[in-house]
Parts: sequence; C-alpha cells; structure tokens
Amino acid sequence: GQQVQQSPTSLVLQEGENAELQCNFSTSLNSMQWFYQRPGGSLISVFYNPSGTKQSGRLTSTTVIKERRSSLHISSSQITDSGTYLCAMNNMGYKLTFGTGTSLLVDP
Amino acid sequence: DMKVTQMPRYLIKRMGENVLLECGQDMSHETMYWYRQDPGLGLQLIYISYDVDSNSEGDIPKGYRVSRKKREHFSLILDSAKTNQTSVYFCASSLPGLGRDTQYFGPGTRLLVL
Repeated sequence: GQQVQQSPTSLVLQEGENAELQCNFSTSLNSMQWFYQRPGGSLISVFYNPSGTKQSGRLTSTTVIKERRSSLHISSSQITDSGTYLCAMNNMGYKLTFGTGTSLLVDP
Repeated sequence: DMKVTQMPRYLIKRMGENVLLECGQDMSHETMYWYRQDPGLGLQLIYISYDVDSNSEGDIPKGYRVSRKKREHFSLILDSAKTNQTSVYFCASSLPGLGRDTQYFGPGTRLLVL
C-alpha cells in the first residue's frame, strides 16, 4: 500500500481563506519535507521538518513523528499559492518517498 | 545561487530509439537522484547516486541505466525507449547529513516516446 497519503487530493479556496493540508505515513520515518510545484514546473522545498512546528511567512508546518503525520497550514491564501503541494518522507538512507500531492486552486 | 540544470527540456523520440537525459549541479553535492513523475503516481525514484561511480537502484530501475563520471553530472539513459517511458523526468541533488538533506530539483525533462 501507499506509504505516504495526502489529503485532500484537491482543494479550491477563495482568496484570503486558510488551508490545512495533511500528510500521513504508514511507516516510521526519520524526517519529512514539504515541496511546492507550480503547474508544469519543478519542485521547490518549502519545509524540511523532521519534527515539531516551523513557520515561514504565511506557511506553517507541524510534524509529529510518533503519530506519523504532518500538516501544512496556509493562512490568508493568495492566488499565487495555487499549485501542487507534495510531502515526502525519509525513513532509510537518503531516499525520499513522495505522496501524490494536494492540488490547490485559489480563486480571486 | 544553488542550481540544478537539465537538458534537454523537451524531447520526442520514437519507440526503440536511445535516449540520453543530462543533469548538472553546481553545488558539489555528493548525492544525486533521477525521478519520474506521472499523473496519479507522484514521483518515483529511478536511481540514486552517492558519488562518482557509486550508483544504486531506486524503486523503478527497469529499463533505465545511469552514469556518473563527475560529481557535478548525472546522466539517465534509456536503451531502446518504450512508450510507457513517456513521462516527466526530474533530477535532484542533496548534501546529506545533519539536517542538510533537502533535495534540490531541476526543471524537468518532458519526454514523449511515440
């Protein structure tokens, strides 16, 4: 089965609304990362978050290793936040296992 | 400015032709990766390279091989390409250790095999 499950698979917001993206892992993990991908674009690391809470501007990531879950909170969403958010876990060596992503669309 | 480059960005090949995808990085990262991304499947690891001539299969290595003769270059080779290898291919690099193992991704190569 899938080791990394993301929810929701897609999300539509009105500009200014908040979003909560979830990532659940079926196995133990050493660390995890959140990536952002614009349509047709490359992946950009948003957070490297082994454990605890990190904030960068309007984005907050909270990872609870023992519970095998991580969340990405986007506050006051903007149109430019639209794209796909992927989480990935590391549980062995240097390998990352990716989820299939949450597609976010922020409408004006 | 940390950068991973990929060439070519777009490629169309016929089934049975050989394909060479190139990746470069200017960060002296030891570890490099090749992934493919398909709708509904996410990113899947094809190969990982820990340094020059130190390569290891990922989750889906069948039909692919790699070459790393210099630390800054990592090539993905498809011998006799198949239509099911149509995909977007991403290269990445990282400098593992002490929380510095963030992966940096290239812009991707869109490969169409007819």
